[in-house]
Amino acid sequence: DAGVTQSPTHLIKTRGQQVTLRCSPKSGHDTVSWYQQALGQGPQFIFQYYEEEERQRGNFPDRFSGHQFPNYSSELNVNALLLGDSALYLCASSTGTSVFRAEQYFGPGTRLTVT
Amino acid sequence: AQSVTQLDSQVPVFEEAPVELRCNYSSSVSVYLFWYVQYPNQGLQLLLKYLSGSTLVESINGFEAEFNKSQTSFHLRKPSVHISDTAEYFCAVSDKGQGAQKLVFGQGTRLTINP
Repeated sequence: DAGVTQSPTHLIKTRGQQVTLRCSPKSGHDTVSWYQQALGQGPQFIFQYYEEEERQRGNFPDRFSGHQFPNYSSELNVNALLLGDSALYLCASSTGTSVFRAEQYFGPGTRLTVT
Repeated sequence: AQSVTQLDSQVPVFEEAPVELRCNYSSSVSVYLFWYVQYPNQGLQLLLKYLSGSTLVESINGFEAEFNKSQTSFHLRKPSVHISDTAEYFCAVSDKGQGAQKLVFGQGTRLTINP
């Protein structure tokens, strides 16, 4: 079992550009959540996808959008990049939407640097 | 809304010494509580969780945490640490009332074990 995989591992973008990050959930998982972890901080919840719909969203602007595909993989898109978007972006997968019922498994993350 | 405060950003200890990593939370509703560990260049891994029942929960590698409702705390302890415990530790909560879909993390505590 490959676990949760994310691509790319590292990414460097310029302010104003757009970026797409990808996540493949652990086998058997149908829910994907995205988190942003700034340097020296804990992860912050961006949003969660289940059944190809956004189920819950954290306090992030509309520049952050996502998608879930029929095979449960997911993409995170960020438009009009700002320097403050530089962070480690974590994907977590689970069975169902509740952290009570099923453990969230985290991927190793994508390190985004905005210059 | 919930918030989590980890009172120490860094904790250095000697090998085989005991350690306590402190976590306090704030919430207007009941919460589930979690500790995650992040080893260098790896994704977050669930260490232990409190959902209900006994307030003392244990992990398979010797860590334990006690839920204290009156003090809104969930401190993590280990009686004797090893070099391999060197990692960043994150305390997290999830709101029971909103379907427990997202985790709210603290800022993290970097545990450094000295030989």
